[in-house]
Amino acid sequence: DAKTTQPTSMDCAEGRAANLPCNHSTISGNEYVYWYRQIHSQGPQYIIHGLKNNETNEMASLIITEDRKSSTLILPHATLRDTAVYYCFRGGNKLVFGAGTILRVKS
Amino acid sequence: EAGVVQSPRYKIIEKKQPVAFWCNPISGHNTLYWYRQNLGQGPELLIRYENEEAVDDSQLPKDRFSAERLKGVDSTLKIQPAELGDSAVYLCASSLGAAPRGETQYFGPGTRLLVL
Repeated sequence: DAKTTQPTSMDCAEGRAANLPCNHSTISGNEYVYWYRQIHSQGPQYIIHGLKNNETNEMASLIITEDRKSSTLILPHATLRDTAVYYCFRGGNKLVFGAGTILRVKS
Repeated sequence: EAGVVQSPRYKIIEKKQPVAFWCNPISGHNTLYWYRQNLGQGPELLIRYENEEAVDDSQLPKDRFSAERLKGVDSTLKIQPAELGDSAVYLCASSLGAAPRGETQYFGPGTRLLVL
């Protein structure tokens, strides 16, 4: 199965870290893990991607387990504008988005 | 730098009518993708082009859907005839190379299609 598995929804308090998990237990060795988010009525926006090592950019951090079967996207200080659907996505021969996690950041 | 441009943004048609969507990718991006996104679901890949060549169209319903990317730049996705179940958002994305090798995809705003 080329899909990923994510929780349907999560809540996070404003200013706190948001930790979004993704399961990709059948990922193959040359497939990257990508994270995108989608705000209502807009196209998906790239956040971060990685292969084996943990990654960090100005938006988020990506933690990939050693066996690469799962990963966690971390938004270190969530704001109300981070409320969106977050998609975990395996880049390989088949480009497949999961169902996504609805993240609600609350004040 | 201009992003991925799509038109129209919205389209309402009656079933059995034809419809076409247009996409202009980011300048210099060789790879172009068309996705369909049903309500409450993630995007599903319909077709991927590398330059003019469709390298993955396995999810494209070929009985009614067609796509072209003449000259390897902009692209058109067509549905003929449209069915009620085709109501969805059609997203176009582009990347410098192919995502399996680690290239980031940039998405357009999408075309929201409603078939009545």
